[in-house]
Amino acid sequence: EPEVTQTPSHQVTQMGQEVILRCVPISNHLYFYWYRQILGQKVEFLVSFYNNEISEKSEIFDDQFSVERPDGSNFTLKIRSTKLEDSAMYFCARGQGHGYTFGSGTRLTVV
Amino acid sequence: AQSVAQPEDQVNVAEGNPLTVKCTYSVSGNPYLFWYVQYPNRGLQFLLKYITGDNLVKGSYGFEAEFNKSQTSFHLKKPSALVSDSALYFCAVRDMRNTGKLIFGQGTTLQVKP
Repeated sequence: EPEVTQTPSHQVTQMGQEVILRCVPISNHLYFYWYRQILGQKVEFLVSFYNNEISEKSEIFDDQFSVERPDGSNFTLKIRSTKLEDSAMYFCARGQGHGYTFGSGTRLTVV
Repeated sequence: AQSVAQPEDQVNVAEGNPLTVKCTYSVSGNPYLFWYVQYPNRGLQFLLKYITGDNLVKGSYGFEAEFNKSQTSFHLKKPSALVSDSALYFCAVRDMRNTGKLIFGQGTTLQVKP
């Protein structure tokens, strides 16, 4: 099974700026998920994505967040106007069968 | 509501001693349970899972976990701890109702001292 790769590994952005986090590869036949982990704390579900559609989202996933498949391979999480409290590790995960594979994460630092 | 609880924020053990990291769950129906480990500044690494079958599940790096339906627990164990086992451990349960997302416990930091 192909690994789940996330880019960038670390991003620093100014408050109010837009950021795009990327996750590859992606397949039509799998569920994909985004999770967030504020430093050293609980891993929180953000959104699940299947067949080019959001299938479930959490309360955290408000209007500033969006997910897309811009070119059929990348799977992106966009944060439109970042806030200080968006600083966290963001993990993409692939679900298939009874298993899940997580990417290595993107550490987002909002200053 | 479906949930996972890890009652201990931190577990301290001496190298060579057995370790247990506790996890209890609350789900409707039969649970799919997982353990992940996270080393500092790293991603989540899969250790083991319980779907069905034997209650004792063996996983990576010598870890095992015991599924106990009556106690709704899925404790992680290792007979002899290593200093390199020091990390943050997460228990998770699959949400069977919706899109199969994982619901994580709050994590337990394991410190193994030489």
